[in-house]
Amino acid sequence: GQQLNQSPQSMFIQEGEDVSMNCTSSSIFNTWLWYKQDPGEGPVLLIALYKAGELTSNGRLTAQFGITRKDSFLNISASIPSDVGIYFCAGTGANSKLTFGKGITLSVRP
Amino acid sequence: DAGITQSPRHKVTETGTPVTLRCHQTENHRYMYWYRQDPGHGLRLIHYSYGVKDTDKGEVSDGYSVSRSKTEDFLLTLESATSSQTSVYFCAISDGRMGDIQYFGAGTRLSVL
Repeated sequence: GQQLNQSPQSMFIQEGEDVSMNCTSSSIFNTWLWYKQDPGEGPVLLIALYKAGELTSNGRLTAQFGITRKDSFLNISASIPSDVGIYFCAGTGANSKLTFGKGITLSVRP
Repeated sequence: DAGITQSPRHKVTETGTPVTLRCHQTENHRYMYWYRQDPGHGLRLIHYSYGVKDTDKGEVSDGYSVSRSKTEDFLLTLESATSSQTSVYFCAISDGRMGDIQYFGAGTRLSVL
């Protein structure tokens, strides 16, 4: 079946640093989504990508739909303490179902 | 915020008791989903619904049943709760196609003792 790989499971950065997260698969995806989950809350959509090569920004966040359609990345610039949380990638592939990665837990040290 | 309400938000129950979690939406979305979230496993789909009285199994459906008698409500039932069902449960909704963007509720934290 379709799987999305996110690693590492946890990331630790200093406030003010930039951070980049990848999401990869051996299968082709037609849509890529990035979600963030704050502690004690449900995941919230950050960015949606619909076309190979697409680069989309949302404030300090930038995400790209990989040219091969098998990967996507999310970049957070100038991190702040409220960026802590779990970041999930998700994608829709040939089976038309939304598949989620296992998430990356981001910690930001002040 | 998408109009999704999960109830209860927290529940503690004993092994062997039945438990029902409720998801209520005000968006009139066609699809509704139940996930469980456990450390190291991410979000795993339990069941989903693609219309009133239309439901299907996800990847971890054993021990769970669902019902959808109205567009706005999707119920998840644990017929006889087990400790392995201790988890955080999320409801999600989407409009249009199955692979569309999903919007999540705030979750229900369930502890089975």
